[in-house]
Amino acid sequence: DGGITQSPKYLFRKEGQNVTLSCEQNLNHDAMYWYRQDPGQGLRLIYYSQIVNDFQKGDIAEGYSVSREKKESFPLTVTSAQKNPTAFYLCASTFPSDRNGYTFGSGTRLTVV
Amino acid sequence: QKEVEQNSGPLSVPEGAIASLNCTYSDRVSQSFFWYRQYSGKSPELIMSIYSNGDKEDGRFTAQLNKASQYVSLLIRDSQPSDSATYLCAVNEITSYDKVIFGPGTSLSVIP
Repeated sequence: DGGITQSPKYLFRKEGQNVTLSCEQNLNHDAMYWYRQDPGQGLRLIYYSQIVNDFQKGDIAEGYSVSREKKESFPLTVTSAQKNPTAFYLCASTFPSDRNGYTFGSGTRLTVV
Repeated sequence: QKEVEQNSGPLSVPEGAIASLNCTYSDRVSQSFFWYRQYSGKSPELIMSIYSNGDKEDGRFTAQLNKASQYVSLLIRDSQPSDSATYLCAVNEITSYDKVIFGPGTSLSVIP
């Protein structure tokens, strides 16, 4: 079955440590996105990519980095520059011209310890 | 700054009643509108999309769009306890057709 796989499901980060969240899709979607969700809040866009080897900053890109070396993969690195990384991270994908909305992965819950 | 607004709730309705969820948006030229359902601790799931003024029905769900009033709503008929979730309204940004702006969500509780 096609879908988006995010791993790990839970991740704990120490102060000053970089961590990478994985996002892989087999839907052949061109566009991929990373969102952050804090308790009781909506989704905020971190980065998005419409084609391989190209990506754009979203509304809250500071302290994060991404790469898009393959169409099916869009990993997110949370760097030590991100001072408040504890949140629920969601990866999504779609066809850019698709009017049927996004498909989301199951999410990664990141906690700073 | 483009915004999508929703009442945060919680909205409580008895089982079998109609739940009405509302959403307003600031970008007058937005084209596509979506409703996602998110259960606690889970990721959002697309349940409805609408592009033209009027109503769109899918099972127990009806989406209503009024572009002149910049208003979109979701009606859930015969509400079930399994409908208890947060409902996110999302609007397509006209300058980047595949970049969607999400509202903060409305929490719905269906009481048995």
